[in-house]
Amino acid sequence: SAVISQKPSRDICQRGTSLTIQCQVDSQVTMMFWYRQQPGQSLTLIATANQGSEATYESGFVIDKFPISRPNLTFSTLTVSNMSPEDSSIYLCSAPGQGAYNEQFFGPGTRLTVL
Amino acid sequence: TQLLEQSPQFLSIQEGENLTVYCNSSSVFSSLQWYRQEPGEGPVLLVTVVTGGEVKKLKRLTFQFGDARKDSSLHITAAQPGDTGLYLCAGATGGFKTIFGAGTRLFVKA
Repeated sequence: SAVISQKPSRDICQRGTSLTIQCQVDSQVTMMFWYRQQPGQSLTLIATANQGSEATYESGFVIDKFPISRPNLTFSTLTVSNMSPEDSSIYLCSAPGQGAYNEQFFGPGTRLTVL
Repeated sequence: TQLLEQSPQFLSIQEGENLTVYCNSSSVFSSLQWYRQEPGEGPVLLVTVVTGGEVKKLKRLTFQFGDARKDSSLHITAAQPGDTGLYLCAGATGGFKTIFGAGTRLFVKA
């Protein structure tokens, strides 16, 4: 199983600013995923981050709002740009396991509050 | 659009009681995972089911995959306060994409 860390664990930000969340995996992985989990709700995939190519965004999420970097096989960042209170959420990164069945290992999440 | 519906959404029970959580879809999944998420943490994988009709046991937790691979259930026997958390089912939709159910929030009172 992969061990995934995220920084920061939480932050409180002002409207209009941007926050970059870091995700570190303890092993090399081809893909990393970024999810949003709004209070009391399930996980929604934002994008898939592939090393060496642009991230693939899901419907409703755009690169200008959520730029993603993937400089190597163990690290990724997600930036939440020009934040509004509606961006308050938990942001989670994950990486697939070694098995063949889509198991994922998650970081502890970043709890973002936008005032 | 593929959807996974979970029920119930919320469950509050006494220690020692049994419970079942359901995960249903109109779509067929190649595999289905169950995760548990505790406050302040990311989801943690409990089990993967792959074969229609498959039953897997993890201590007091029993997971079943429907014969048609469209639904799954999680049964907990003699629930304990440590079982408290958000239980999520997740289905593989092709490639590495996964869709998550809305979750069942379980609270077990001592």
